[in-house]
Amino acid sequence: QQQVKQSPQSLIVQKGGIPIINCAYENTAFDYFPWYQQFPGKGPALLIAIRPDVSEKKEGRFTISFNKSAKQFSLHIMDSQPGDSATYFCAAARETSGSRLTFGEGTQLTVNP
Amino acid sequence: SAVISQKPSRDICQRGTSLTIQCQVDSQVTMMFWYRQQPGQSLTLIATANQGSEATYESGFVIDKFPISRPNLTFSTLTVSNMSPEDSSIYLCSVEGQGVGIPLGTQYFGPGTRLLVL
Repeated sequence: QQQVKQSPQSLIVQKGGIPIINCAYENTAFDYFPWYQQFPGKGPALLIAIRPDVSEKKEGRFTISFNKSAKQFSLHIMDSQPGDSATYFCAAARETSGSRLTFGEGTQLTVNP
Repeated sequence: SAVISQKPSRDICQRGTSLTIQCQVDSQVTMMFWYRQQPGQSLTLIATANQGSEATYESGFVIDKFPISRPNLTFSTLTVSNMSPEDSSIYLCSVEGQGVGIPLGTQYFGPGTRLLVL
């Protein structure tokens, strides 16, 4: 059972564009929603995270939008750069379960110069 | 943030053999996790390893196949036993971040061990 569904599978944008990656979850007990960025040959790195008590969080060029009633959250990358080309994973966890992360399928983002 | 190293970084193994992967952290951490990531795929949690207790395995993963040790607060090993080509994957360890200013739930990942089973 895939508890976190992520789309699109791949995404190509031009430099300066705003790629948007979407995730939907099923388990209403999830209360922690991080996004990870992974470059080839590297482990994932935490990018930004949100909890259900807020609807939006910004850190630099990265923004998470969260819709609790729809059980959806999304990542927006403002003014995207070629260096942002990577695979992005959304995830979800219940803090009471010891931060065991359930990951989405991943989105391969390419930002063309 | 925590700095995590894994050994080996990659290996090619014959079916039926076992490989032990080491994960070393530069600070003491309570919770460590082991994940599997098949090429081009997402990450799947194998087990949670806390020091001083038995590892907790996720559905579909068993101790006989993936025994885990956690002898202290900075080190853990994952063994992939009796390997088959289906075990070819990237194995990653992660730790839960701890300390002032680190949001609850933050996890830091190691670089991964790339395993190919022939």
